[in-house]
Amino acid sequence: GESVGLHLPTLSVQEGDNSIINCAYSNSASDYFIWYKQESGKGPQFIIDIRSNMDKRQGQRVTVLLNKTVKHLSLQIAATQPGDSAVYFCAVLSGSARQLTFGSGTQLTVLP
Amino acid sequence: DAGVIQSPRHEVTEMGQEVTLRCKPISGHNSLFWYRQTMMRGLELLIYFNNNVPIDDSGMPEDRFSAKMPNASFSTLKIQPSEPRDSAVYFCASSFGGNQETQYFGPGTRLLVL
Repeated sequence: GESVGLHLPTLSVQEGDNSIINCAYSNSASDYFIWYKQESGKGPQFIIDIRSNMDKRQGQRVTVLLNKTVKHLSLQIAATQPGDSAVYFCAVLSGSARQLTFGSGTQLTVLP
Repeated sequence: DAGVIQSPRHEVTEMGQEVTLRCKPISGHNSLFWYRQTMMRGLELLIYFNNNVPIDDSGMPEDRFSAKMPNASFSTLKIQPSEPRDSAVYFCASSFGGNQETQYFGPGTRLLVL
């Protein structure tokens, strides 16, 4: 099966700084990766995804990096803002059943 | 686009009672997913449907849980009888296509079983 872990359960950054949230996965056959953001009292919200044939993808203020060699995924948020405070989950799709496995989440807190 | 709609948003019930959670997926999406989220276990997939047909229910905890999708725009998750350990936030999500990519989540139903 797939196990997905995060390097840090909490992360605090100063407003305006860049944030990096990391995720490790176990199944080398995993081929699709998603980052979700969950604000308090809301459902997870899709941020950005990346397929295994890429190693970098950029969105608006966010970049996802994929290192398949070490089975590591990261989400970078540029110029972090108070509205970025939330729990961030990585999710990995793999296996013939194509089941999405979620990591445990990292709580990002943006300090004024 | 209204997004995924779930009801009720909050539910408080007593142990032994039946609980029914409802979900309306995004129009045009043909895959629907039910998740449970707790502090201890995180986000767990309970069951998912593709074109109204249950594909994988291996995450359903036990026979007390059942899910139906009678048509493309409606699904229910029922717990009967409910137990205190069922207390959690239950999310419904939908996606377009037969796979699990890019799922869009509803706001969730916060269930408390006393």
